[in-house]
Amino acid sequence: GNSVTQMEGPVTLSEEAFLTINCTYTATGYPSLFWYVQYPGEGLQLLLKATKADDKGSNKGFEATYRKETTSFHLEKGSVQVSDSAVYFCALVDSSYKLIFGSGTRLLVRP
Amino acid sequence: GAGVSQSPSNKVTEKGKDVELRCDPISGHTALYWYRQSLGQGLEFLIYFQGNSAPDKSGLPSDRFSAERTGGSVSTLTIQRTQQEDSAVYLCASSPMGGTKGGELFFGEGSRLTVL
Repeated sequence: GNSVTQMEGPVTLSEEAFLTINCTYTATGYPSLFWYVQYPGEGLQLLLKATKADDKGSNKGFEATYRKETTSFHLEKGSVQVSDSAVYFCALVDSSYKLIFGSGTRLLVRP
Repeated sequence: GAGVSQSPSNKVTEKGKDVELRCDPISGHTALYWYRQSLGQGLEFLIYFQGNSAPDKSGLPSDRFSAERTGGSVSTLTIQRTQQEDSAVYLCASSPMGGTKGGELFFGEGSRLTVL
């Protein structure tokens, strides 16, 4: 079945460091891909998405490119801030209504 | 309310007891989802509602789990004869349409269940 694999955390970075969180997927066809973020004490919220191969999703300085050759959707940010500390989830659409999520990666940014 | 509301936010119960978790979706959202988040695990899909009907219950772990939705709004997830492995955060999400092609589900903060 369809699945999403993320790098295990926690990822600990200093402020202004470069961030990469790896995400790969297994799916039939080319599903839409997503990154969700869960800030402390809050519900998950959509961070960015890409609906077809080679699309780049971006939001709040974060970017991810849909790579069908490597079945990947890695999340990147050039300069992280303390406020980016959160848990990040990669996800894909399985069928027309269901999201399949990865296990989440915790990011901790130190001042 | 402005967002998805879940209650209780925290529930501690004894093994063998029944629990009910409530979800109040965003007004007007026709689709409603329950997911389970266990420590170290991803979000596990449990059930999907479109209006009051549940076309996909495939994620419910056992027949001890059931869910209903009334009036196209509030949903209740019931776990009977709770077991320790049921301990998790139960997340509810809603969407303004039946499909998630757009990908935006609106999540509540979750109900943390601890079974002693």
